[in-house]
Amino acid sequence: QVQLVESGGGVVQPGRSLRLSCEASGFTFSTYALHWVRQAPGKGLEWVALISYDGRNKYYPDSLRGRFTVSRDNSKNTLYLQMNGLRPEDTATYHCASLGFCINGVCRGVGLDFWGQGTTVTVSS
Amino acid sequence: DIQMTQSPSSLSASVGDRVTITCQASQGISNSLNWYQQIAGKAPKLLIYDASNLEGGVPSRFSGSGSGTDFIFTISSLQPEDIATYYCQQYDNLPLTFGGGTKVEMK
Repeated sequence: QVQLVESGGGVVQPGRSLRLSCEASGFTFSTYALHWVRQAPGKGLEWVALISYDGRNKYYPDSLRGRFTVSRDNSKNTLYLQMNGLRPEDTATYHCASLGFCINGVCRGVGLDFWGQGTTVTVSS
Repeated sequence: DIQMTQSPSSLSASVGDRVTITCQASQGISNSLNWYQQIAGKAPKLLIYDASNLEGGVPSRFSGSGSGTDFIFTISSLQPEDIATYYCQQYDNLPLTFGGGTKVEMK
């Protein structure tokens, strides 16, 4: 069955970097656009990044662009999130997911969601 | 960015009650709206997409309606297993944005 398993979370000091991984199985990884979504403790959901199926196109919210970089290795069925200059407010559980989305009226993956269980990142001195 | 305003932020209801949650988008999003259920400690689960389409395997007591800027999510008869936080989310354009969530508790 479809499975997304995140790893790489942990406790890190402010200003340091961390790379998260998301290993996929049970579907044709190279044909799916994928996202990162995070959730701070006791808070709501925040979209973090989108990468196209082939890795050519990447999208971020303005608040994270420049510090976070999404990438993928389709030969390894793995998605990544490189996080630099970490701040206490980046403390959250980070999920990788396949989500529906539209760009300029062209929609993909609607109704075909699946999520990983998440990996927890704590930014603290 | 499209802001999603969800209300109420929490509610308490009894088994069998009808529960209604509203979500308002800051600009028109057609019907590009999801509703998610998140049980504590778990990943969100998609219940409804395209504002009113029930995801496969989701009980029919869950429903959604609306278009444009105003949307409604309904649980027709609340069950104990429905205790969770519910989120709306627009996917009409990037960045994807979520409502603040509605925590549903049992009275």
